[in-house]
Amino acid sequence: DAKTTQPPSMDCAEGRAANLPCNHSTISGNEYVYWYRQIHSQGPQYIIHGLKNNETNEMASLIITEDRKSSTLILPHATLRDTAVYYCIVRLGGEYGNKLVFGAGTILRVKS
Amino acid sequence: DGGITQSPKYLFRKEGQNVTLSCEQNLNHDAMYWYRQDPGQGLRLIYYSQIVNDFQKGDIAEGYSVSREKKESFPLTVTSAQKNPTAFYLCASSAGTGLGEQYFGPGTRLTVT
Repeated sequence: DAKTTQPPSMDCAEGRAANLPCNHSTISGNEYVYWYRQIHSQGPQYIIHGLKNNETNEMASLIITEDRKSSTLILPHATLRDTAVYYCIVRLGGEYGNKLVFGAGTILRVKS
Repeated sequence: DGGITQSPKYLFRKEGQNVTLSCEQNLNHDAMYWYRQDPGQGLRLIYYSQIVNDFQKGDIAEGYSVSREKKESFPLTVTSAQKNPTAFYLCASSAGTGLGEQYFGPGTRLTVT
């Protein structure tokens, strides 16, 4: 089962920042938080990941709380092309190594 | 262009037939994965391979089989033993077994009637 909880859907106005929350209260010290997104009928696309420090790349920013029990993905200037399902994933270790466990994600609708 | 290709995009089969889905990558990645996605749900891991000639079962391997004879190829066979084979199948690869990102192919939508 996924170790994360996300709201099922969110709306955002085009040009505004989209803030997508994720709860992962049982995360362990060496587990990373990953974000992927999936545009309808396509394969998921990697966005960003982090351990405990905030991270930023050309697509988004990731803010992780100090206790690491939650995080927020920020798309600074959302466009219509950002409409997708966003998955917050805690990376599991152990025998599965690189395994990603996907929950249901958050449907982000960017509206003009 | 480097990437992952899956073919065909849409596939239709009759119940009781085995079907093989293709996945090819030219990223020189060691690890490859197969996921299944049902409508409105997240992805579930079927099989994964960390190196040529080796693969492990994921969470829902029953009714599926794979092979990894070449580094760039990881075909998935959906057998007649799979009770509900109709789904969207996604292949992915990653550079290693560490924490690197996985790159996904465009997927194959399989419909079995």
